[in-house]
Amino acid sequence: AQKVIQVWSTASRQEGEELTLDCSYETSQVLYHLFWYKHLLSGEMVFLIRQMSSSTAKERSGRYSVVFQKSLKSISLVISALQPDDSGKYFCALWERGNTGGLSGKLTFGEGTQVTVIS
Amino acid sequence: EAAVTQSPRSKVAVTGGKVTLSCHQTNNHDYMYWYRQDTGHGLRLIHYSYVADSTEKGDIPDGYKASRPSQENFSLILELASLSQTAVYFCASSPNYEQYFGPGTRLTVL
Repeated sequence: AQKVIQVWSTASRQEGEELTLDCSYETSQVLYHLFWYKHLLSGEMVFLIRQMSSSTAKERSGRYSVVFQKSLKSISLVISALQPDDSGKYFCALWERGNTGGLSGKLTFGEGTQVTVIS
Repeated sequence: EAAVTQSPRSKVAVTGGKVTLSCHQTNNHDYMYWYRQDTGHGLRLIHYSYVADSTEKGDIPDGYKASRPSQENFSLILELASLSQTAVYFCASSPNYEQYFGPGTRLTVL
Protein backbone atom coordinates (compact mmCIF):
# COMPACT_ATOMS: atom_id res chain seq x y z
CA ALA A 1 0.00 0.00 0.00
CA GLN A 2 1.18 3.49 -0.72
CA LYS A 3 2.48 5.31 2.27
CA VAL A 4 2.16 8.84 0.90
CA ILE A 5 -0.78 9.66 -1.29
CA GLN A 6 -1.31 12.75 -3.37
CA VAL A 7 -4.77 12.31 -4.76
CA TRP A 8 -4.61 14.84 -7.55
CA SER A 9 -2.05 14.19 -10.26
CA THR A 10 -2.70 17.57 -11.88
CA ALA A 11 -4.05 20.96 -10.84
CA SER A 12 -4.42 24.29 -12.60
CA ARG A 13 -5.37 27.77 -11.48
CA GLN A 14 -5.28 31.29 -12.76
CA GLU A 15 -2.43 33.62 -11.89
CA GLY A 16 -3.13 35.40 -8.61
CA GLU A 17 -5.39 32.69 -7.22
CA GLU A 18 -4.69 30.39 -4.30
CA LEU A 19 -4.05 26.65 -4.68
CA THR A 20 -4.24 23.88 -2.10
CA LEU A 21 -2.44 20.58 -2.71
CA ASP A 22 -3.50 17.66 -0.55
CA CYS A 23 -1.43 14.82 0.82
CA SER A 24 -2.25 11.95 3.14
CA TYR A 25 0.22 9.58 4.75
CA GLU A 26 0.60 6.49 6.88
CA THR A 27 3.08 6.03 9.69
CA SER A 28 3.30 4.22 12.99
CA GLN A 29 5.99 6.52 14.34
CA VAL A 30 5.22 9.20 16.87
CA LEU A 31 7.85 11.62 15.65
CA TYR A 32 8.16 12.25 11.96
CA HIS A 33 8.50 15.09 9.51
CA LEU A 34 6.59 16.07 6.44
CA PHE A 35 8.10 17.95 3.56
CA TRP A 36 6.95 19.62 0.41
CA TYR A 37 9.33 19.76 -2.53
CA LYS A 38 9.02 21.29 -5.97
CA HIS A 39 10.59 19.59 -8.96
CA LEU A 40 11.76 22.15 -11.47
CA LEU A 41 12.04 21.66 -15.22
CA SER A 42 15.79 21.96 -14.77
CA GLY A 43 15.64 18.75 -12.77
CA GLU A 44 16.36 20.39 -9.45
CA MET A 45 14.36 19.26 -6.42
CA VAL A 46 13.70 22.33 -4.30
CA PHE A 47 12.73 22.21 -0.63
CA LEU A 48 9.67 24.35 0.10
CA ILE A 49 8.45 23.83 3.63
CA ARG A 50 8.60 21.38 6.52
CA GLN A 51 6.15 20.31 9.19
CA MET A 52 7.26 18.50 12.31
CA SER A 53 4.76 16.03 13.72
CA SER A 54 5.31 17.45 17.17
CA SER A 55 4.61 21.03 16.14
CA THR A 56 1.23 22.73 16.31
CA ALA A 57 2.55 25.89 14.70
CA LYS A 58 1.10 26.82 11.34
CA GLU A 59 4.21 26.62 9.21
CA ARG A 60 4.66 29.32 6.62
CA SER A 61 7.42 30.26 4.23
CA GLY A 62 6.74 33.19 1.97
CA ARG A 63 3.71 32.34 -0.16
CA TYR A 64 3.78 28.72 1.04
CA SER A 65 1.91 27.54 4.09
CA VAL A 66 0.67 24.20 5.33
CA VAL A 67 -2.53 22.92 6.86
CA PHE A 68 -1.58 20.02 9.11
CA GLN A 69 -4.28 17.72 10.43
CA LYS A 70 -2.33 15.22 12.45
CA SER A 71 -5.29 13.16 13.61
CA LEU A 72 -6.33 12.69 9.99
CA LYS A 73 -2.73 12.11 8.85
CA SER A 74 -3.17 14.81 6.31
CA ILE A 75 -1.11 17.76 5.23
CA SER A 76 -1.92 20.32 2.58
CA LEU A 77 0.33 22.82 0.89
CA VAL A 78 -1.27 26.19 0.24
CA ILE A 79 0.28 28.43 -2.38
CA SER A 80 -1.09 31.95 -2.35
CA ALA A 81 -1.02 34.58 -5.07
CA LEU A 82 -0.01 32.12 -7.76
CA GLN A 83 2.61 33.16 -10.29
CA PRO A 84 3.52 31.53 -13.60
CA ASP A 85 6.82 30.36 -12.07
CA ASP A 86 4.85 28.29 -9.59
CA SER A 87 4.14 25.84 -12.38
CA GLY A 88 5.91 22.56 -11.77
CA LYS A 89 5.53 19.25 -10.01
CA TYR A 90 5.01 19.29 -6.24
CA PHE A 91 5.89 16.36 -4.05
CA CYS A 92 4.82 15.56 -0.53
CA ALA A 93 7.31 13.46 1.43
CA LEU A 94 7.26 11.71 4.79
CA TRP A 95 10.44 11.38 6.82
CA GLU A 96 10.60 8.54 9.32
CA ARG A 97 13.47 7.55 11.54
CA GLY A 98 15.47 4.57 10.33
CA ASN A 99 16.68 1.50 12.16
CA THR A 100 20.33 2.47 12.28
CA GLY A 101 19.89 4.89 15.11
CA GLY A 102 21.06 8.45 15.37
CA LEU A 103 19.35 10.87 13.07
CA SER A 104 19.23 8.56 10.11
CA GLY A 105 15.92 8.21 8.40
CA LYS A 106 14.34 7.99 5.02
CA LEU A 107 11.95 9.96 2.91
CA THR A 108 8.98 8.38 1.23
CA PHE A 109 7.55 10.45 -1.59
CA GLY A 110 4.10 10.74 -3.02
CA GLU A 111 3.68 10.58 -6.75
CA GLY A 112 3.42 14.32 -7.11
CA THR A 113 0.93 16.85 -8.41
CA GLN A 114 1.68 18.69 -11.65
CA VAL A 115 0.65 22.30 -11.24
CA THR A 116 -0.07 24.67 -14.11
CA VAL A 117 -0.57 28.36 -13.51
CA ILE A 118 -2.49 30.04 -16.29
CA SER A 119 -1.54 33.62 -17.07
CA GLU B 1 28.07 27.01 -5.53
CA ALA B 2 25.92 23.85 -5.52
CA ALA B 3 26.52 21.76 -2.44
CA VAL B 4 25.41 18.46 -3.95
CA THR B 5 26.66 17.69 -7.43
CA GLN B 6 26.10 14.66 -9.60
CA SER B 7 27.97 13.33 -12.59
CA PRO B 8 27.24 12.67 -15.29
CA ARG B 9 24.09 14.75 -15.69
CA SER B 10 22.89 12.41 -18.38
CA LYS B 11 24.02 9.09 -19.75
CA VAL B 12 23.04 6.58 -22.36
CA ALA B 13 24.08 3.03 -21.55
CA VAL B 14 23.69 -0.31 -23.28
CA THR B 15 21.88 -3.23 -21.75
CA GLY B 16 24.27 -5.41 -19.79
CA GLY B 17 26.85 -2.68 -19.43
CA LYS B 18 28.22 -1.24 -16.20
CA VAL B 19 27.16 2.22 -15.12
CA THR B 20 28.53 4.30 -12.28
CA LEU B 21 26.74 7.41 -11.09
CA SER B 22 28.68 9.72 -8.84
CA CYS B 23 27.58 12.14 -6.16
CA HIS B 24 29.69 14.69 -4.32
CA GLN B 25 28.61 16.90 -1.44
CA THR B 26 30.34 19.79 0.25
CA ASN B 27 27.77 20.09 3.04
CA ASN B 28 29.77 17.98 5.45
CA HIS B 29 26.64 15.92 6.03
CA ASP B 30 26.79 12.44 7.48
CA TYR B 31 23.87 10.99 5.53
CA MET B 32 23.67 10.45 1.81
CA TYR B 33 20.95 8.89 -0.30
CA TRP B 34 20.27 7.61 -3.80
CA TYR B 35 16.77 7.78 -5.23
CA ARG B 36 15.29 6.99 -8.60
CA GLN B 37 12.38 8.76 -10.18
CA ASP B 38 10.34 7.23 -12.93
CA THR B 39 8.27 9.36 -15.25
CA GLY B 40 5.10 10.46 -13.53
CA HIS B 41 6.07 9.04 -10.17
CA GLY B 42 7.71 10.07 -6.93
CA LEU B 43 11.20 9.28 -5.76
CA ARG B 44 12.04 5.85 -4.40
CA LEU B 45 14.98 5.11 -2.15
CA ILE B 46 17.63 2.75 -3.55
CA HIS B 47 20.53 2.90 -1.09
CA TYR B 48 21.70 5.22 1.63
CA SER B 49 24.67 5.71 3.87
CA TYR B 50 25.12 7.25 7.27
CA VAL B 51 28.89 7.01 7.45
CA ALA B 52 31.82 6.53 5.13
CA ASP B 53 32.61 2.92 4.16
CA SER B 54 29.10 1.79 5.03
CA THR B 55 25.93 1.56 2.98
CA GLU B 56 22.40 0.40 3.66
CA LYS B 57 19.69 -0.95 1.40
CA GLY B 58 16.70 1.22 0.73
CA ASP B 59 13.32 0.21 -0.60
CA ILE B 60 14.38 -0.90 -4.09
CA PRO B 61 18.03 -2.04 -3.93
CA ASP B 62 17.87 -4.94 -6.39
CA GLY B 63 20.16 -4.42 -9.36
CA TYR B 64 22.12 -1.64 -7.65
CA LYS B 65 25.20 -1.40 -5.51
CA ALA B 66 26.42 1.63 -3.61
CA SER B 67 29.79 2.80 -2.42
CA ARG B 68 30.70 5.50 0.10
CA PRO B 69 34.49 5.79 0.05
CA SER B 70 34.49 9.11 1.89
CA GLN B 71 32.06 11.42 3.61
CA GLU B 72 31.87 13.58 0.49
CA ASN B 73 31.38 10.91 -2.16
CA PHE B 74 28.63 8.39 -2.73
CA SER B 75 28.38 6.29 -5.89
CA LEU B 76 25.61 4.20 -7.34
CA ILE B 77 26.69 1.24 -9.44
CA LEU B 78 24.67 -0.71 -11.94
CA GLU B 79 26.75 -3.80 -12.70
CA LEU B 80 24.47 -5.06 -15.46
CA ALA B 81 22.26 -2.23 -16.66
CA SER B 82 18.77 -3.19 -17.77
CA LEU B 83 16.03 -1.40 -19.68
CA SER B 84 13.96 -1.13 -16.51
CA GLN B 85 16.66 1.02 -14.93
CA THR B 86 15.99 3.89 -17.28
CA ALA B 87 15.06 6.72 -14.91
CA VAL B 88 16.26 9.93 -13.34
CA TYR B 89 18.52 9.36 -10.36
CA PHE B 90 18.81 11.81 -7.50
CA CYS B 91 21.44 11.97 -4.83
CA ALA B 92 20.81 13.78 -1.56
CA SER B 93 22.76 14.64 1.55
CA SER B 94 21.35 15.28 4.99
CA PRO B 95 22.54 16.35 8.44
CA ASN B 96 19.36 14.96 10.01
CA TYR B 97 15.86 14.86 8.53
CA GLU B 98 16.16 17.62 5.94
CA GLN B 99 17.59 16.38 2.67
CA TYR B 100 19.37 18.46 0.07
CA PHE B 101 19.15 17.14 -3.44
CA GLY B 102 21.53 17.14 -6.34
CA PRO B 103 20.34 18.11 -9.83
CA GLY B 104 19.68 14.56 -10.94
CA THR B 105 21.17 12.24 -13.57
CA ARG B 106 19.04 11.13 -16.47
CA LEU B 107 19.98 7.54 -17.35
CA THR B 108 18.71 5.91 -20.50
CA VAL B 109 19.43 2.23 -21.01
CA LEU B 110 19.05 0.99 -24.56
